This record gives sequence, structure tokens and C-alpha cells, in this order.
Amino acid sequence: DAGVTQSPTHLIKTRGQHVTLRCSPISGHKSVSWYQQVLGQGPQFIFQYYEKEERGRGNFPDRFSARQFPNYSSELNVNALLLGDSALYLCASSLTGVFSGANVLTFGAGSRLTVL
Amino acid sequence: GNSVTQMEGPVTLSEEAFLTINCTYTATGYPSLFWYVQYPGEGLQLLLKATKADDKGSNKGFEATYRKETTSFHLEKGSVQVSDSAVYFCALSDTGRRALTFGSGTRLQVQP
Repeated sequence: DAGVTQSPTHLIKTRGQHVTLRCSPISGHKSVSWYQQVLGQGPQFIFQYYEKEERGRGNFPDRFSARQFPNYSSELNVNALLLGDSALYLCASSLTGVFSGANVLTFGAGSRLTVL
Repeated sequence: GNSVTQMEGPVTLSEEAFLTINCTYTATGYPSLFWYVQYPGEGLQLLLKATKADDKGSNKGFEATYRKETTSFHLEKGSVQVSDSAVYFCALSDTGRRALTFGSGTRLQVQP
């Protein structure tokens, strides 16, 4: 079975541009979460979506937005890119939006964004 | 708010040595605790978890016990291998159990 897939794997943008990152969850998973991992740090929570609705938001500016589609795939959009947005963006999926003993996050390999 | 503190790396060990990576946390309520591992160029993989106090999570020879009295979740392995070289992240779930708070990660280097 395919795991969590993300695209693109790498991309380079310049300051002020816009970027869209895409994620396909594991089949049967209805929740998608996005995390930002700056080099040398742990991932930080950006958003959680479940059943196409935003269920959680981390401490990120409004330049960051996301959505989930009827097939449960998701997009993360970042506007007006800053140098500090350079990071590995991780998508994770889970069966439902609430963690429990059996329901845990499964991460994709990430999209590495470099802002010049 | 919630926070996770991990020992700084890198931790360098010889093959077959004993491993301990310390993790302590600050949280409200009763979070679930996790260890994730990240191999070079890859995403995070769940290594083990514990959902309540005194639970022991284990996988692939790694173990960690949820200690509420010391707010700790230290990762241990009796005999490390070169293939265990990676970055290890301790994490906890938030009160609503919808997001994870991660530590800064500990890089493990195992030498043959």
C-alpha cells in the first residue's frame, strides 16, 4: 500500500513568490496535518484538516493556508514567501482527527522548500 | 504551553553500546508520548508510543516508559547498530489530541 505521498520533493522559490505543496494521505485516512521542519529543529504544527474542515491551527501567519479535497488529499499554500520559510514541509495522515492508541500520525517524506 | 526537551546531540556510540536519549516534557492534562525517527533524506517514522502513565512502548529493541512523576520518556536500547544512526524526536500530543509538539531532535551516530 502506498504511504503518504508529497509533491514536489524539492523546489526553489524567490522572496515574495507563492508556493503550493500537495499531499495524498494513506488510503482510508481522512485526516491530514501539515508540519514545518526548519533545518536542525523539530517539526512544528501548522494545520490539521479532517473531513475537509480545518480542525486545528498552529502559530503561523495568515500567509499560510491549506485545504482538503473530497478525496482527502490536501494542499498547503504559502504566500509572499520569506527567507525564513525555507524548510522541509511534512504532511502526515491519520484515520481520524483525534489521536488514540491505534490512531497515530504517519508522515510523508516531505517537500523541501528553499527561498532565495 | 506544551514543550519537549531532549538532550543535545550528536550522541556518538560504538556498535553494541547501550543507548539512552533523555526526554522530558511539560504539558497540561495527560498527553500521549511518542518517539519518532528520521533517517537521512526521509520523513519521520513512528518508533514507539505510550498513551498513559507507566506504559512502556517498545519496537525494534527500543524502549521508553511514560514516567508521570518525573515527566520523562527516555529512549533506551541495549545494543545499537550502525543502521540505528538517525535523528530521534520525542513528541507529545496536545490536550485536544490533534497536534504533536516535538523536541528539537537528537542525532545518533553509531560507529562500527
